[in-house]
Amino acid sequence: AQSVTQLGSHVSVSEGALVLLRCNYSSSVPPYLFWYVQYPNQGLQLLLKYTSAATLVKGINGFEAEFKKSETSFHLTKPSAHMSDAAEYFCAVSAPNAGKSTFGDGTTLTVKP
Amino acid sequence: KAGVTQTPRYLIKTRGQQVTLSCSPISGHRSVSWYQQTPGQGLQFLFEYFSETQRNKGNFPGRFSGRQFSNSRSEMNVSTLELGDSALYLCASSLGARAMGLDEQFFGPGTRLTVL
Repeated sequence: AQSVTQLGSHVSVSEGALVLLRCNYSSSVPPYLFWYVQYPNQGLQLLLKYTSAATLVKGINGFEAEFKKSETSFHLTKPSAHMSDAAEYFCAVSAPNAGKSTFGDGTTLTVKP
Repeated sequence: KAGVTQTPRYLIKTRGQQVTLSCSPISGHRSVSWYQQTPGQGLQFLFEYFSETQRNKGNFPGRFSGRQFSNSRSEMNVSTLELGDSALYLCASSLGARAMGLDEQFFGPGTRLTVL
């Protein structure tokens, strides 16, 4: 079985501050991990994905995430928040034997001016 | 390349009615997945179609069904609508050559269904 836990349903940062969104996963086999972003009234857009290559993954819009097997984590970071980063972020896990992707509950990021 | 399109974008139905939602995947993509998104339950996987066959299914009642056509377009049907079916229904397409979920999924904007 696979599962994802996103710690913190709401995160608020100031513009220019570090963004850290937390994701922990559970999977019985080496997983693929994804971060998606959803803007209001839109579908999800892939930010980045981990597929067992480099543990530090760089994505679009300056985001990156690090796969830490020992901590079963895949936290999303961005050095400097921008107002346009305000959105909901989803972490997802997939495994070859699962037949589906499992999404976390999402974290809403608010960026204060 | 055109993205994933979903029609209609908004829909209002009453309890007991049925509804059909449509999804057109990105050209060349053979896998189409459907998700239900609600504030209380988050994103829940409904089913996945690949080459006109249902390849994976989530834990939803039989009132939720789908199909895929030879051009990879997909429809989702919900019969005997309940108030709890109010949600954003998202469709995602992927190349589909590997097991579902391993390829990047491209999401449509969703269909917002309101059941009164």
